[in-house]
Amino acid sequence: GQQVQQSPASLVLQEGENAELQCNFSSTATRLQWFYQHPGGRLVSLFYNPSGTKHTGRLTSTTVTNERRSSLHISSSQTTDSGTYFCAIERSSNTNKVVFGTGTRLQVLP
Amino acid sequence: EAAVTQSPRNKVAVTGGKVTLSCNQTNNHNNMYWYRQDTGHGLRLIHYSYGAGSTEKGDIPDGYKASRPSQENFSLILELATPSQTSVYFCASGDSGLGGFEQYFGPGTRLTVL
Repeated sequence: GQQVQQSPASLVLQEGENAELQCNFSSTATRLQWFYQHPGGRLVSLFYNPSGTKHTGRLTSTTVTNERRSSLHISSSQTTDSGTYFCAIERSSNTNKVVFGTGTRLQVLP
Repeated sequence: EAAVTQSPRNKVAVTGGKVTLSCNQTNNHNNMYWYRQDTGHGLRLIHYSYGAGSTEKGDIPDGYKASRPSQENFSLILELATPSQTSVYFCASGDSGLGGFEQYFGPGTRLTVL
């Protein structure tokens, strides 16, 4: 089945540093999305990015589908960026079955 | 903004008891999902639904049933709860199409089975 690997498992930064989170998946994915989980548990969508590069604010996502990888870049990190970041892949086309990676836990220190 | 609510937010149950977790969405989304989150596993799909009256098995359906009586409501039922079902459960709603499969999550339910 579809496997999603994320790295690093955890990351500690000083405020202002940049972060690069990686997501690798085991077969060609038609749909890929990045999620953020607040320390309190709330999950929110960040990017739907099946291919190419997308930006929003200090976040940039780049997906290279034929290389089965995606990255999430956080520039000028802030303490409020702390939390866990997940990438998720639709298991196969148009099934709505989604498989999540195990996440990267980010801690940004003041 | 999309709204997904879950009840209860916290639940303590006894082994062998019946537990029902409820989810309500006001987004008019066709698809709804139940996940559980455990340390080291991320989120795993238990059941999902394409619309009222439909339920589909996810990756870890054993020990769980689901019910989708209406567009707005999706329940997860543990007929005979076991300690291994202690977890945090998330409900989500969403629609998929050319634009992707964005999902909106509820706040989670923390279930402890003693």
